[in-house]
Amino acid sequence: DGGITQSPKYLFRKEGQNVTLSCEQNLNHDAMYWYRQDPGQGLRLIYYSQIVNDFQKGDIAEGYSVSREKKESFPLTVTSAQKNPTAFYLCASSIGGQAGELFFGEGSRLTVL
Amino acid sequence: AQSVTQLGSHVSVSEGALVLLRCNYSSSVPPYLFWYVQYPNQGLQLLLKYTTGATLVKGINGFEAEFKKSETSFHLTKPSAHMSDAAEYFCAVGNRDDKIIFGKGTRLHILP
Repeated sequence: DGGITQSPKYLFRKEGQNVTLSCEQNLNHDAMYWYRQDPGQGLRLIYYSQIVNDFQKGDIAEGYSVSREKKESFPLTVTSAQKNPTAFYLCASSIGGQAGELFFGEGSRLTVL
Repeated sequence: AQSVTQLGSHVSVSEGALVLLRCNYSSSVPPYLFWYVQYPNQGLQLLLKYTTGATLVKGINGFEAEFKKSETSFHLTKPSAHMSDAAEYFCAVGNRDDKIIFGKGTRLHILP
């Protein structure tokens, strides 16, 4: 079955540690996205990539980094510079363009202790 | 610039009653409009979308929404609520040249 796989689903880390969230898709989609979700805040765009080896900052990129070395993979690193990293992180993909239908993974919940 | 406003962060309806979730948008160009549903600790799933054409859009699970340009609205409705409809619903707006913007979400509670 085609879809988006995020791992891990739950992650606990100590303050000051970098963590990397995995996102893999087998939908052959060109575009991939990372969103952060906090209660009552909706979804906020962190980074997006429309093509391999290229990505752009979203609305809340500070303290995060990404790479897009392969079409199917778009990992997100939450660095120690992110002041409030505890959140639910969602990865999504779309066939192309920025306004196409988004397909979401199941999410990764990061808790920083 | 685009924006989307969902009226009511929480909505409660009785089982079997009409569901109405409100969404208003702002866009300087013809919008693409979406409704997504999210169950606890899961990702979002597309319910329905409007891009062009017929303004009444039917989606999955008996939901539908109507694009009203004059009111800049895209409200989500379902004639008869079911317990399984309890979830969080997100309205989103995009267009041909710009990224999708999400509303803050409305949590739907179904009362027995």
